[in-house]
Amino acid sequence: TQLLEQSPQFLSIQEGENLTVYCNSSSVFSSLQWYRQEPGEGPVLLVTVVTGGEVKKLKRLTFQFGDARKDSSLHITAAQPGDTGLYLCAGDMRFGAGTRLTVKP
Amino acid sequence: GAVVSQHPSWVICKSGTSVKIECRSLDFQATTMFWYRQFPKQSLMLMATSNEGSKATYEQGVEKDKFLINHASLTLSTLTVTSAHPEDSSFYICSATPGGTSAFGYTFGSGTRLTVV
Repeated sequence: TQLLEQSPQFLSIQEGENLTVYCNSSSVFSSLQWYRQEPGEGPVLLVTVVTGGEVKKLKRLTFQFGDARKDSSLHITAAQPGDTGLYLCAGDMRFGAGTRLTVKP
Repeated sequence: GAVVSQHPSWVICKSGTSVKIECRSLDFQATTMFWYRQFPKQSLMLMATSNEGSKATYEQGVEKDKFLINHASLTLSTLTVTSAHPEDSSFYICSATPGGTSAFGYTFGSGTRLTVV
């Protein structure tokens, strides 16, 4: 079983701060996905990273895939209260435990 | 974009009864759909892979006879929780993608909150 470990599990920050969420595994993935989930709803796909070393940007969100394709990170710049939610990484249809982010105004 | 619809969005049932949850791909055909379960404040756990026209593939530890999956058409998969018990109360979510398999991510339904009393 390929396990995805996410850290931190919980993160509470003030509006305007930057943060990074990590997704690590001992296994190699052909691709990793990042999702965001609101309470009571299904996850929504943010991005897919495919190539080792790849960096993708989505407005204030920057996603990176490790060179060895075993890990990924999500960096949010100048976080806003609207960024609050559960961030999940996934590979081969399996999910990490998630990072629950709270951004306080 | 691809849309996956789940129904019902929530259901309350009595212990011992069965509940059917539907997952539909609205604007694409899905030969493969995935069913997940999510307990409060936890991540999604893959339960089974639903294959159109053939038997579902269940993850280790998931009881086939308890969680019946039927994928009779290219746009509909159903999950039936049989003889439900309170411990089956959870958030059930399905996902699919055009073409059946994708390394580029999947679209999820909005989930079904099951409460067994």
